[in-house]
Amino acid sequence: AQKITQTQPGMFVQEKEAVTLDCTYDTSDQSYGLFWYKQPSSGEMIFLIYQGSYDEQNATEGRYSLNFQKARKSANLVISASQLGDSAMYFCAMREDNYGQNFVFGPGTRLSVLP
Amino acid sequence: EAGVAQSPRYKIIEKRQSVAFWCNPISGHATLYWYQQILGQGPKLLIQFQNNGVVDDSQLPKDRFSAERLKGVDSTLKIQPAKLEDSAVYLCASSLVGRNAGELFFGEGSRLTVL
Repeated sequence: AQKITQTQPGMFVQEKEAVTLDCTYDTSDQSYGLFWYKQPSSGEMIFLIYQGSYDEQNATEGRYSLNFQKARKSANLVISASQLGDSAMYFCAMREDNYGQNFVFGPGTRLSVLP
Repeated sequence: EAGVAQSPRYKIIEKRQSVAFWCNPISGHATLYWYQQILGQGPKLLIQFQNNGVVDDSQLPKDRFSAERLKGVDSTLKIQPAKLEDSAVYLCASSLVGRNAGELFFGEGSRLTVL
């Protein structure tokens, strides 16, 4: 079974607008972490933001915020004020702390920012 | 602080040949992961080490892939014999251990083309 689902293979957003990238996850572990990574065409994996399962506040890092809805098992990434340099693949990932620190990735969403 | 080092960056081989990739994680990171990333897809975990022990190798095609992490530091991933479908980027990543381990740190990847 898929542990991480990203239902949007591709998304378009106008420059300076906000965009939400969806992520749902599946785990029976009570302790886990949720991560978002950006992968530009150069191929490097860039860490964006982290949310722990016990964190009560949604994580924010600059223009990135994570909309964490634990009961729904969703961890959507919100990018505010999109820039052309945000065009990239975005991966949602989960670390399960009680399953050997298993770290799995979703299939990704390709974001294209339009001028 | 030095990042995760990988080599070679690029390798082209013919099917049925062998290839080896090397990874040196960030100093002090006990956990090391090898991922296979096929073009347009998310990273797929091949093997996870903690120190020099294997935590998870359930998705490693053991008839052709092998990996080791001697002395709990650097690691090698070998493919023998290679198949066309092994063409991918092989990503090495490392992290600390535990609930507050934080994110995965990735190397630049080794791009394999099998002809």
